[in-house]
Amino acid sequence: DVKVTQSSRYLVKRTGEKVFLECVQDMDHENMFWYRQDPGLGLRLIYFSYDVKMKEKGDIPEGYSVSREKKERFSLILESASTNQTSMYLCASSSTSRGTDSPLHFGNGTRLTVT
Amino acid sequence: DAKTTQPTSMDCAEGRAANLPCNHSTISGNEYVYWYRQIHSQGPQYIIHGLKNNETNEMASLIITEDRKSSTLILPHATLRDTAVYYCIVRVASYQKVTFGTGTKLQVIP
Repeated sequence: DVKVTQSSRYLVKRTGEKVFLECVQDMDHENMFWYRQDPGLGLRLIYFSYDVKMKEKGDIPEGYSVSREKKERFSLILESASTNQTSMYLCASSSTSRGTDSPLHFGNGTRLTVT
Repeated sequence: DAKTTQPTSMDCAEGRAANLPCNHSTISGNEYVYWYRQIHSQGPQYIIHGLKNNETNEMASLIITEDRKSSTLILPHATLRDTAVYYCIVRVASYQKVTFGTGTKLQVIP
């Protein structure tokens, strides 16, 4: 089974701190994604990456950056955390090479609170 | 990616079939319909997907209309553990960007 592991389940940070959220997948997937989930707004795509060192903006990239130095790891960076970035963050991965059968596999999320 | 429309919430009696509808009227010919569900405090879980034929697996069945503008996810015998938010999305299988909506909150009632 594919495993997507997010480094922290809960995280509390102060306003203005630089925050790193880490995600690792063990299935050699090409594609990795970061979403945030807020009540009433569903899952919104922040950034995604289709290859090492490649990244594309999603729907809400402002205030975030990402890093993908190795295929299995995709990091989300909050350069200067703000209270409106308090949210559940979900990482996902998928394979391109399997063609039509390429569902997303999600981690269990990091609940970030910025105070 | 085409947009989808789902009811905000639904109830289903335990043991009965749960039928969750999804409208995707602007779907393109090469876009697949995928269903995921999210149980509280967990990440979304893949259920099933299809292009134009009906599909069935151990979790559910997917019925896609002939014009492909809508689909229905069927959980044949709903249990309390099926209480979750169900997301319908459409995407080209090899296309990387995937956008989710707000889904349908299914409550299975004893």
